[in-house]
Amino acid sequence: AQKITQTQPGMFVQEKEAVTLDCTYDTSDPSYGLFWYKQPSSGEMIFLIYQGSYDQQNATEGRYSLNFQKARKSANLVISASQLGDSAMYFCAMREGQGSGNTPLVFGKGTRLSVIA
Amino acid sequence: DTAVSQTPKYLVTQMGNDKSIKCEQNLGHDTMYWYKQDSKKFLKIMFSYNNKELIINETVPNRFSPKSPDKAHLNLHINSLELGDSAVYFCASSPFGLAETNEQFFGPGTRLTVL
Repeated sequence: AQKITQTQPGMFVQEKEAVTLDCTYDTSDPSYGLFWYKQPSSGEMIFLIYQGSYDQQNATEGRYSLNFQKARKSANLVISASQLGDSAMYFCAMREGQGSGNTPLVFGKGTRLSVIA
Repeated sequence: DTAVSQTPKYLVTQMGNDKSIKCEQNLGHDTMYWYKQDSKKFLKIMFSYNNKELIINETVPNRFSPKSPDKAHLNLHINSLELGDSAVYFCASSPFGLAETNEQFFGPGTRLTVL
């Protein structure tokens, strides 16, 4: 069974609008961490935001926020005021066992976001 | 001062050859990883090492042999390359133990093309 599901293969958004990228996860571990990475066409993996399973508040980093709904096992990424440079692949990932530094990330299949001028 | 570096960035080779990809991190992290990103952009863990010791081997063919000479380096050697090995290979590192985010820092990737 897939541990990370991203149901939107591709998304379009108008410049300056907000966009939500969906991510649902599956784990029985009470401790886990959720990550979002951006991969532009140049290929590098850029860390955007992190949410721990015990965090009480939704994570925010500049224009990025994570809408964490633990009961629904969802961790959607919200990008506010989209910019042309936000066009990229976005990956949701999970590490089970929060604080276990040697656990690899499990990735979703990604969502390709295109920002239109 | 690159955090995680990989060489080479591009690698084009013939089927049947043996090749290596090198990875170095200067972050002082104990744990390093190799991930493979296939043509559909799907990223999957291959190996993880903690302080030079193999922790995870995700049923990767034994043509792939990681080597960690010290905790700052994790190299990937691939024997008898096959067409299906064509992919982007990412090295990553993270701190071990409790850390605020346990963020994984990725290298720039190595695009391997097998002809």
